[in-house]
Amino acid sequence: AQTVTQSQPEMSVQEAETVTLSCTYDTSESNYYLFWYKQPPSRQMILVIRQEAYKQQNATENRFSVNFQKAAKSFSLKISDSQLGDTAMYFCAFIVSGRGGSEKLVFGKGMKLTVNP
Amino acid sequence: DSGVTQTPKHLITATGQRVTLRCSPRSGDLSVYWYQQSLDQGLQFLIQYYNGEERAKGNILERFSAQQFPDLHSELNLSSLELGDSALYFCASTIGTGPYEQYFGPGTRLTVT
Repeated sequence: AQTVTQSQPEMSVQEAETVTLSCTYDTSESNYYLFWYKQPPSRQMILVIRQEAYKQQNATENRFSVNFQKAAKSFSLKISDSQLGDTAMYFCAFIVSGRGGSEKLVFGKGMKLTVNP
Repeated sequence: DSGVTQTPKHLITATGQRVTLRCSPRSGDLSVYWYQQSLDQGLQFLIQYYNGEERAKGNILERFSAQQFPDLHSELNLSSLELGDSALYFCASTIGTGPYEQYFGPGTRLTVT
């Protein structure tokens, strides 16, 4: 079974601080891609960052970076210099290429992050 | 703005009714995915279409069906609605078949009363 686990349901952090969101996943596949999506109160799903499993280098997008540990099947998101606009639900997800070109995102249950002024 | 559009934004209907949700993918995208987000089940994959053909099915009920038209827009049909079908329904699109990032529309909030 392919699953994603986000063990922390909720976190809060002060503005300008750094926060790390944890995620573990389970798959028997070797070729997959990992994502963090953000869902602010507007409910829009916004892609934050993407990591290819075959790449050893951790992805970085401005204030967002990941710590990808393939052997441990761990994929954490670090948000530096937190801003009020980072307040949102964060979902960890992955895709495994399926047969016939079918790929579906498998999501974790999400984690609510609140950034306080 | 992801470039994916969904209509309507909100829908309120009664049990037993049928509704149609519409999605227009980003320009150039051939794959469309439908997801359901409910409080108890989280985000669940329903179905995928690629260039008019069904490619994958997830946890989609038999009361639900979908199609993708020649202009690549997609519709999700929900029939014999039950209270438990109340959820946020997302459409996402991507350029082709492959593990590409999926771009989500704003969702349709369905409330069944």
